[in-house]
Amino acid sequence: DSGVTQTPKHLITATGQRVTLRCSPRSGDLSVYWYQQSLDQGLQFLIHYYNGEERAKGNILERFSAQQFPDLHSELNLSSLELGDSALYFCASSFAGALDTQYFGPGTRLTVL
Amino acid sequence: LAKTTQPISMDSYEGQEVNITCSHNNIATNDYITWYQQFPSQGPRFIIQGYKTKVTNEVASLFIPADRKSSTLSLPRVSLSDTAVYYCLVVPVRDHSGTYKYIFGTGTRLKVLA
Repeated sequence: DSGVTQTPKHLITATGQRVTLRCSPRSGDLSVYWYQQSLDQGLQFLIHYYNGEERAKGNILERFSAQQFPDLHSELNLSSLELGDSALYFCASSFAGALDTQYFGPGTRLTVL
Repeated sequence: LAKTTQPISMDSYEGQEVNITCSHNNIATNDYITWYQQFPSQGPRFIIQGYKTKVTNEVASLFIPADRKSSTLSLPRVSLSDTAVYYCLVVPVRDHSGTYKYIFGTGTRLKVLA
């Protein structure tokens, strides 16, 4: 158990819909990262927040957005969903920034039908 | 950006030492090399991190030559439970704007056979 929690575990929805994935970092961690992993694909970095502020952005689509709240939990919003958005979405947290070990949550499996 | 290249897959037998090499030709002076392990349908798990020479912990060793253009993860005496995907990650990777990213690459799928 990494100490990072993600909800929900599974999510099934239809194309065109909007969903919100939630992540609670480990106690004391200030950074939250979001990754997307499609079937048999590597991890695609989406975005990094540190203490409520966006610090780095990867290959995140404009239909996707994220935020980190004052209590440090984070939400990833996916809108206008397409079939290709079906994937495992991982959240990770670290104490501070780039060189710190990232602790990954169990992931949210999103299925878009 | 410091793109990493690893073998796509490797097979080994229980009890053997496994070495997985990652090349990162464009690594920058301040970048570190980190390795993660991932089991199916689970989040990656940190294995080891290093900057140069050799780093060892209770599960692995990491060898980094002087030019730092590659690194080798060494797993001593693997068991069936070491079957997983292993990712080499160079952190932080900065693009031309100075923004850094985390590029995991495709990883190496290690299969340990009995």
